[in-house]
Amino acid sequence: SQQGEEDPQALSIQEGENATMNCSYKTSINNLQWYRQNSGRGLVHLILIRSNEREKHSGRLRVTLDTSKKSSSLLITASRAADTASYFCATDATGTASKLTFGTGTRLQVTL
Amino acid sequence: DGGITQSPKYLFRKEGQNVTLSCEQNLNHDAMYWYRQDPGQGLRLIYYSQIVNDFQKGDIAEGYSVSREKKESFPLTVTSAQKNPTAFYLCASSIAGSRETQYFGPGTRLLVL
Repeated sequence: SQQGEEDPQALSIQEGENATMNCSYKTSINNLQWYRQNSGRGLVHLILIRSNEREKHSGRLRVTLDTSKKSSSLLITASRAADTASYFCATDATGTASKLTFGTGTRLQVTL
Repeated sequence: DGGITQSPKYLFRKEGQNVTLSCEQNLNHDAMYWYRQDPGQGLRLIYYSQIVNDFQKGDIAEGYSVSREKKESFPLTVTSAQKNPTAFYLCASSIAGSRETQYFGPGTRLLVL
């Protein structure tokens, strides 16, 4: 079953703009991770945020986590054409036997 | 050069045939995973292994089998019982369990002739 659901499903912006993607999940979690996938390639880990953290930064990425709303957001600032990819959230639910559950992803298109 | 390799990049299966997808890692990770990705969809967990000689079913294990005889290798067999095998298959590994980052291979695309 899909634990996380990303919103929007697709997003098209121009280079230099900011991109915000949201993830909602259903059960309590230990951590939430964001991954990026270029078309036809494997996933690349971007950032991990633990359940006791509210915000985390990495370069142009900013992730927030609201456990009371069971939601997270990924902000990419000053986007570049090279940011074009699909972005997935993945949750590590409490009580589960050491596995991640991935959402359906947001497809980001950054145009020049 | 550390990482995860998957082979082949493309694999064609005939009706009734079993095929095996290779996954090798030299990251010295204990945990390894197999996921299936259908077009426009997220990843679904097929099997995972936290230690050599041990593995557990994921959410969609029917029609698949795995082995974990060596720490660095986690091959996936798609059996003839899997009636809809056309998909993109991704292998991943992590230091220990899903509490930490997973590192992914480049994937194998399986097509049915």
